[in-house]
Amino acid sequence: AQSVTQLGSHVSVSEGALVLLRCNYSSSVPPYLFWYVQYPNQGLQLLLKYTSAATLVKGINGFEAEFKKSETSFHLTKPSAHMSDAAEYFCAVSPYNQGGKLIFGQGTELSVKP
Amino acid sequence: NAGVTQTPKFQVLKTGQSMTLQCAQDMNHEYMSWYRQDPGMGLRLIHYSVGAGITDQGEVPNGYNVSRSTTEDFPLRLLSAAPSQTSVYFCASTRTGVDEQFFGPGTRLTVL
Repeated sequence: AQSVTQLGSHVSVSEGALVLLRCNYSSSVPPYLFWYVQYPNQGLQLLLKYTSAATLVKGINGFEAEFKKSETSFHLTKPSAHMSDAAEYFCAVSPYNQGGKLIFGQGTELSVKP
Repeated sequence: NAGVTQTPKFQVLKTGQSMTLQCAQDMNHEYMSWYRQDPGMGLRLIHYSVGAGITDQGEVPNGYNVSRSTTEDFPLRLLSAAPSQTSVYFCASTRTGVDEQFFGPGTRLTVL
């Protein structure tokens, strides 16, 4: 069965520092990969998605992620953190040929210190 | 467009009671899904549907039923609520399997 692992349930950075949230997936066939963000007491919002068009994917709010097949990774980065980035971030995989299903990682809560 | 709507926002049940969580979308999406969110576990798929009349089980289907009689609606039924079903429930829809899923605002359910 496919799985997604997010390393670190809590990440804390200073405002202006690099944000790096780690995601690894298990799949023999490259799946479709997504990063979602959840602000407190809200639903999930798509940050970016990888669907095999390009390995470096740019998303909203200055976030980007790089698909590395050799490492089965899809880490999320942002060069300079802003206070408004504090939220929970989820990596998810949609297995190949199983449309409509998302398998989520455990989530990483990002805190941004002033 | 209202997007994906869910009702109710909050619900408290007693053990053994039944109820239906409502989900509707107005985007004409074929795919709809139900997830539950628990601390430290991310979101887990309960049931999903690839079109009207077609449903299938996800990772954690026990204790839940679904049906899809129309494209727009995808209700989730709890047959006999248990404290282990205390969670936040999200409904989502997507046009195709590779597009983003659009999530509703969630229903926070407590089972006493």
